Amino acid sequence: EIVLTQSPDFQSVTPKEKVTITCRASQSIGSSLHWYQQKPDQSPQLLIKYDSQSFSGVPSRFSGSGSGTDFTLTINSLEAEDAATYYCHQSSSLPYTFGQGTKLEIK
Amino acid sequence: EVQLVQSGAEMKKPGESLKISCKGSGYIFTSYWIGWVRQMPGKGLEWMGIIYPGDSDIRYSPSFQGQVTISADKSISTAYLQWSSLKASDTAMYYCARLGVQGVIDLWGRGTLVTVSS
Repeated sequence: EIVLTQSPDFQSVTPKEKVTITCRASQSIGSSLHWYQQKPDQSPQLLIKYDSQSFSGVPSRFSGSGSGTDFTLTINSLEAEDAATYYCHQSSSLPYTFGQGTKLEIK
Repeated sequence: EVQLVQSGAEMKKPGESLKISCKGSGYIFTSYWIGWVRQMPGKGLEWMGIIYPGDSDIRYSPSFQGQVTISADKSISTAYLQWSSLKASDTAMYYCARLGVQGVIDLWGRGTLVTVSS
């Protein structure tokens, strides 16, 4: 089973700040890495698919990069509505797995 | 509208059985894998398993193999997750999700909250 490790677990940030969340895989997963946003009491929603492709309707301040084992989600110019928990997810091999999540708090 | 509609919240006692559902609409149900994801209170997302409604091919995560049963009825575009004997530790929100090309989750249900308490 592929283990995904996110960092940090928690980050407190101010609006307009740039945020970087990393996801490291226990083995190479190519570009089969996706990012989701989960706001309190809501279902997760897809932000970035296949490492760097933005999903339809996602604001342009969200971007993804990386390949192999190291991946990054970047949020440029953070907005208050971005307060949420962010998860990475690999679909390279079954069982698919998620990272443990990164909670963003807006100051 | 493309959506996954999940059954309502359940409150059960330990040892009871349960089957929750996930109905797809607005797309060809038999052409996409459906996955189940557990989220325990205050915790992260856990991959449980997937089913391809077209031929009922099922793949369980080792952590959930033998603990739950995943099934589907393609005639009514519905996937199921069931337990034969619930435990308090099964208390969680359960999401169904549609898997797009190469396994990305492009559609989520709203979740079914299962509470198991004596």
